[in-house]
Parts: sequence; C-alpha cells; structure tokens
Amino acid sequence: AQSVTQPDIHITVSEGASLELRCNYSYGATPYLFWYVQSPGQGLQLLLKYFSGDTLVQGIKGFEAEFKRSQSSFNLRKPSVHWSDAAEYFCAVGGGGATNKLIFGTGTLLAVQP
Amino acid sequence: DGGITQSPKYLFRKEGQNVTLSCEQNLNHDAMYWYRQDPGQGLRLIYYSQIVNDFQKGDIAEGYSVSREKKESFPLTVTSAQKNPTAFYLCATSWGAATTGELFFGEGSRLTVL
Repeated sequence: AQSVTQPDIHITVSEGASLELRCNYSYGATPYLFWYVQSPGQGLQLLLKYFSGDTLVQGIKGFEAEFKRSQSSFNLRKPSVHWSDAAEYFCAVGGGGATNKLIFGTGTLLAVQP
Repeated sequence: DGGITQSPKYLFRKEGQNVTLSCEQNLNHDAMYWYRQDPGQGLRLIYYSQIVNDFQKGDIAEGYSVSREKKESFPLTVTSAQKNPTAFYLCATSWGAATTGELFFGEGSRLTVL
C-alpha cells in the first residue's frame, strides 16, 4: 500500500540557516510527489511537485526538493530560512490513474528562531 | 476573486446534532474533495467527487455524507453517527486528477463538539 513518512514531527532552525525536511514514501510504481505548506489555521498551498525528469525540482518561495529513487525519498530544502517560513509542511504521494487520491504524511512543524 | 470558500470558519455543535459544512468554488474545477485534519495525523480523505451528481467514499467516510448537485458546491454533513467529529475540515478542488495535479484548498472549518 502507498504510504508517506515524515520522520520529524517538529524542527526548529535559526533564521538564515539552511533547512532540510525529510520525506520517505512507499509506492510500487513511479510516484507523483508533492510538498504542501500550511500556515496556522489556513488551508494548504502547493510548494512543488515531481512527476518525472530532472530529479531536482524548484518550487515557490525558494524551496527545492530532490527525488532519490534508491532511497525512496523526496526531501525538501531551502538554503536560507526566513521567519515567514514558519509553518507546517506536508509531503504527499499519488500514483495517477482514476483513484484521485493523494496520500499525505503526518506533517513537520517548522519553527524559526530569530 | 477566484477561489474556494468554506463556511462557517468555526462551528460548535452539541452531541447528537447533524451539521453541514459549506464549500463553494468558482475555479471551474471538476473535482472536489473533503479532508479531515487532526493533530499529528496529517490529512485524511473523507469523500471526493469528480463530476456533478457523482461522489466516492474516501478512507474515513463513516459518519459523513455529501452531495454534488452543482459543479460549484460540495457540502459535507457531519452526522451524529460520527463518533469523534471534533476536527479541522478542509475542502479542496483540482482541475484534473488529484494524484497528478495540484490541489487547491479552502481555509478550513473548525468543528468542535461540546
């Protein structure tokens, strides 16, 4: 069965420091992978997605993610974190077809220290 | 403005009462979804609809009902059969299949059962 694991429930980084949020997935075929961000009390917004091609994908707000098939990972990175990046981040996996279902991870809550 | 409107933003309900959460969209998207979000559990799919007058159960449909009489509207009813209804409910839409496309989210409705 498809699944997504985000091992880090909560991460704190200093403003200006680099960031890496981990995501591991389980899927039998080539996955479609997504990162979403959620500000407190709000809906989710898509940061980036990977379907095929270049394994390093660029997203909005200066985020990028790298797909590593050998490690079943799709980690999210940002070189320099801003205070406004404090939010919850969700990794999601889908497989295409008619199921119309994304499987979401449990999320990683990012706190940014001044 | 184009977007997804969920109402009410906050709702309190007594045990044994049914409540209906509204979701309206003017993005002209075919597919609409309802997710439930609980702390530490990510997003879980309740129901989804790909076209008018058709919908499918998601992973946690028990105790919920939906209708899709118009393309723009996908209301969710939380019935008294739902054992633990206190949660944050998110409505989403997509242009095509959620597994290959972007999901657009409303700002959510927080339901508290007293």
